[in-house]
Amino acid sequence: GENVEQHPSTLSVQEGDSAVIKCTYSDSASNYFPWYKQELGKGPQLIIDIRSNVGEKKDQRIAVTLNKTAKHFSLHITETQPEDSAVYFCAASRAGGTSYGKLTFGQGTILTVHP
Amino acid sequence: DGGITQSPKYLFRKEGQNVTLSCEQNLNHDAMYWYRQDPGQGLRLIYYSQIVNDFQKGDIAEGYSVSREKKESFPLTVTSAQKNPTAFYLCASSTGPAGVFNEQFFGPGTRLTVL
Repeated sequence: GENVEQHPSTLSVQEGDSAVIKCTYSDSASNYFPWYKQELGKGPQLIIDIRSNVGEKKDQRIAVTLNKTAKHFSLHITETQPEDSAVYFCAASRAGGTSYGKLTFGQGTILTVHP
Repeated sequence: DGGITQSPKYLFRKEGQNVTLSCEQNLNHDAMYWYRQDPGQGLRLIYYSQIVNDFQKGDIAEGYSVSREKKESFPLTVTSAQKNPTAFYLCASSTGPAGVFNEQFFGPGTRLTVL
């Protein structure tokens, strides 16, 4: 089955700096890669996603890049703000077969943005 | 107000007792999921259901059971066979099963503590 590795496990930055979180996946058939943000005591919420036919996607201060050859994808947050502090999860899924519609999550990154 | 509700937020049980966690959604989603979240391990899939009266085991189904008698409800029972049941449990739903690019919406979670 799919295996997703996420690094770093914790990330501390100063307000205004950029933050980068990286994930690698094992199943070359995976074709959908969402990123979720989880605030303390709440369920995760989708912040951005990318499909395998696209190399990069941006949404204001957030961007995701995908390298299918190397099987890794990254989340980039620019001009970080204290409210960006949360746990971030990457995930991967593939079309078809017994894994249809299932997401495999990375271990999570605790991001702390210091004012 | 559409969304996913999980109740209760905190649940305490004695070892050896079965306990049922509630998950209700009014999003008219076909697919529903149960995840377990432990520190440093991301979200692990317990069970999922793509349609009413049908469900499949996820990656860590042992010691758990589910039912899907109604589209809007997907209760999870943690049985006494689950060796380490103390965890944060998250329910999710998506429009599925039409495709794998569907966003999964998460509930607020239930923190179960077995004493």
